[in-house]
Amino acid sequence: AQKITQTQPGMFVQEKEAVTLDCTYDTSDQSYGLFWYKQPSSGEMIFLIYQGSYDEQNATEGRYSLNFQKARKSANLVISASQLGDSAMYFCAMREMRQGTDKLIFGTGTRLQVFP
Amino acid sequence: NAGVMQNPRHLVRRRGQEARLRCSPMKGHSHVYWYRQLPEEGLKFMVYLQKENIIDESGMPKERFSAEFPKEGPSILRIQQVVRGDSAAYFCASSLGTGSIDGYTFGSGTRLTVV
Repeated sequence: AQKITQTQPGMFVQEKEAVTLDCTYDTSDQSYGLFWYKQPSSGEMIFLIYQGSYDEQNATEGRYSLNFQKARKSANLVISASQLGDSAMYFCAMREMRQGTDKLIFGTGTRLQVFP
Repeated sequence: NAGVMQNPRHLVRRRGQEARLRCSPMKGHSHVYWYRQLPEEGLKFMVYLQKENIIDESGMPKERFSAEFPKEGPSILRIQQVVRGDSAAYFCASSLGTGSIDGYTFGSGTRLTVV
């Protein structure tokens, strides 16, 4: 069965420092997609970054990058130069898309707190 | 270009009442998904619909919950005879259904509180 594991319930980082949020996944599919979402205290789900299983290069979006290690089945999110506004819950998710279904499987999340 | 619209944003129901949550997908999207987030947890898939069809309802509770996506109008998630355990945030997402990363967008959610 597909599974996403986020082992860090909470992380602290000082402003302007970089932080890595861990995500490992389990799948038997050859083709899959990995997402990271941010959920601030206001509750909405904000898309951050995507990595396809066949993408050879790690995805980057501004201060966000995804450290994709396919053999280890890990897709860690790296946030560079943290800002106070980065304080939020972060969810890793995998898209299961096959005949008869299309859904995201989420991890339990990591609460990131950025301090001055 | 309006995103995924969910309403109401907050909904309070007494035990035993019905809750109706609405979701209008992004323009051009014909695939809709519903997820539930219990307090302090991640999102859990409930149901995947295309216009007039339920494609995958493997995450829906067997009783009291139903979903539809009619030919015209928004998708509706309906919870009958609500109980306290139904209190959660319910998120809708829509997509083009092609696997495109650009086509999977979430609404702001409906926070259901059962009193």
